[in-house]
Amino acid sequence: RKEVEQDPGPFNVPEGATVAFNCTYSNSASQSFFWYRQDCRKEPKLLMSVYSSGNEDGRFTAQLNRASQYISLLIRDSKLSDSATYLCVVSGSARQLTFGSGTQLTVLP
Amino acid sequence: NAGVTQTPKFQVLKTGQSMTLQCAQDMNHNSMYWYRQDPGMGLRLIYYSASEGTTDKGEVPNGYNVSRLNKREFSLRLESAAPSQTSVYFCASSEGYGGSAKNIQYFGAGTRLSVL
Repeated sequence: RKEVEQDPGPFNVPEGATVAFNCTYSNSASQSFFWYRQDCRKEPKLLMSVYSSGNEDGRFTAQLNRASQYISLLIRDSKLSDSATYLCVVSGSARQLTFGSGTQLTVLP
Repeated sequence: NAGVTQTPKFQVLKTGQSMTLQCAQDMNHNSMYWYRQDPGMGLRLIYYSASEGTTDKGEVPNGYNVSRLNKREFSLRLESAAPSQTSVYFCASSEGYGGSAKNIQYFGAGTRLSVL
């Protein structure tokens, strides 16, 4: 079983839609959680950290469920510029970060 | 702000050739990392350096060596390149390490390597 699993998509949604991604992780001792964004042929960039109580940054909301070992990312009012691959990132078994394979999002006009 | 700078951006090698990928960061970060990214596989950690003077193997270290030259620079060397090492390589740095909340990693633009 992969340490971090994501639905690869692709998710194709119209502008203005709300879209949610889920990610599951296997290491119950994981302490840090993040969502990164990666544009085509570019480097990953931090989108937001994920805190136990859940957190929001503008149109983006991240939730953590430790009991079920999953993380979610909700994007409201999708923009064309949100088109990217979203990487779920978890502190892994060796205390390093483990990256999911990513979920591809395309926002359509 | 330069952040993390990687060189070269592109490279084509023949099987058996050697090369060194260079990485430098100007954020005074303690930890540095080398990843490779292959289609459908996500980012996989090759080697990391938690602090100046230390290096450790990651998930896929075979065929690679690293040097933490100083706090700023962390290089990755392929001694005898193989087609299986065709990939996109990313260097990253972070203030913290491991499970710390300060382990927010900042990435370079990547090196696209083809081994023929």
